[in-house]
Amino acid sequence: DAGVTQSPTHLIKTRGQQVTLRCSPISGHKSVSWYQQVLGQGPQFIFQYYEKEERGRGNFPDRFSARQFPNYSSELNVNALLLGDSALYLCASSFGGLNYGYTFGSGTRLTVV
Amino acid sequence: GQQLNQSPQSMFIQEGEDVSMNCTSSSIFNTWLWYKQEPGEGPVLLIALYKAGELTSNGRLTAQFGITRKDSFLNISASIPSDVGIYFCAGQLAGANSKLTFGKGITLSVRP
Repeated sequence: DAGVTQSPTHLIKTRGQQVTLRCSPISGHKSVSWYQQVLGQGPQFIFQYYEKEERGRGNFPDRFSARQFPNYSSELNVNALLLGDSALYLCASSFGGLNYGYTFGSGTRLTVV
Repeated sequence: GQQLNQSPQSMFIQEGEDVSMNCTSSSIFNTWLWYKQEPGEGPVLLIALYKAGELTSNGRLTAQFGITRKDSFLNISASIPSDVGIYFCAGQLAGANSKLTFGKGITLSVRP
């Protein structure tokens, strides 16, 4: 079975540009979450979607937005990129509900220059 | 944002040794999770704990959910070289679809 797939795996962008990251959850999983992992830190929660509705938002500026599609895949958009946005962006999927662990993808490594 | 407390940042052990890692929080959680991350990969779930006081094993790994719901520990017995990686604890509050709050992680090195 395919795990959580993210694309692209690596990306280099210039300050001020916009970027879209994509995530396909495990088949049957209806919840998708996005996390930002800066080097040397644990993942930080950005967004959570369940059944195509936003269910949670972390402490990130409005430059960050996301959506979930009818097939439960998801996109994370970041506008007006800053150098500090350079990080590993992780997508995690779950069936939904407290007693289901999240499965993470391998992430998209974003470098802003 | 909030992060759970994990220390030390790095641990170095000899192959065959046991190692214990602790994770603490100033607030309570209803679920505690332990993940392992290797270079170029996302975190992989090792153990999930759902009840205060719960002790759960997964092969050579054992984890416990603290009684106060503010801490958890992970023990790895008879370490092997493939145990190398970064170990993260994560807490989750009650309610469906709630976020995970992670610690900063502990980098484990195993000397053969």
